[in-house]
Amino acid sequence: DQQVKQNSPSLSVQEGRISILNCDYTNSMFDYFLWYKKYPAEGPTFLISISSIKDKNEDGRFTVFLNKSAKHLSLHIVPSQPGDSAVYFCAASGGGGSTLGRLYFGRGTQLTVWP
Amino acid sequence: DAEITQSPRHKITETGRQVTLACHQTWNHNNMFWYRQDLGHGLRLIHYSYGVQDTNKGEVSDGYSVSRSNTEDLPLTLESAASSQTSVYFCASSESTLGEQYFGPGTRLTVT
Repeated sequence: DQQVKQNSPSLSVQEGRISILNCDYTNSMFDYFLWYKKYPAEGPTFLISISSIKDKNEDGRFTVFLNKSAKHLSLHIVPSQPGDSAVYFCAASGGGGSTLGRLYFGRGTQLTVWP
Repeated sequence: DAEITQSPRHKITETGRQVTLACHQTWNHNNMFWYRQDLGHGLRLIHYSYGVQDTNKGEVSDGYSVSRSNTEDLPLTLESAASSQTSVYFCASSESTLGEQYFGPGTRLTVT
C-alpha cells in the first residue's frame, strides 16, 4: 500500500519557468518530509526537507510547501534550469515506534527542463 | 571526506547463486538502509539497521538478508538469486532517525 504518492510520472517545463512537483501522503503520523533528486546512474541526493510544524521551507531556487490538512506537499523550482532535469522523489518519515527513521518514498517524477 | 560506497557497481549472476552486495560508510552513522529501485515502484526498503547487531525487515525483505557486525558496513545477501531480483540496489545511511539519508551510487544487479 503506497503511503506516499507521486501521481505524475513526468513533467516537462521550459527553461526559466516554474516547475511544480506534487506529492500526496496517506499516513497522518508522518511529520517530516523530504525531496530527493536523482540523476541516471547515480544515487539519490537530498534536496530539501520540511517539518510538519512548518508550511514552507525555502532554499535558493527550491521551495517546499506543506498542506497538512490535505496531506499534500509540493516542490517549486524557480527558475527551472536544464541541469534540474532528473527524477525527483518525495519521501516521508515519522510515526515513531517501529517506523522510526524509515523513509517512505513515492515512485518519482521525471522532470525535463528544455531550453 | 566522509562517504558511502557500494561494490560492485555492476553484477551479473545466475539464478540460484548466492550474491553479496557491499555497502561501506565512513560517516560513523548508526542507521543504514538497503533499497531497491524498479521502474514504476520507486525506492522500496529491503532491510535496515539502527546499529551493530540490529537488523530489521523492510517491505520487500523476502529472499534477502543483512548482518551488521560493525558500524561502517551493512552487506546485503541474496541467498538464492532469482530473476525477480534484477534491480538497482541502493544503500543509505543517516545520523539521526529524523534526518535525511545519504545514498551510495548504487549496484546494478542482473540475474539471468
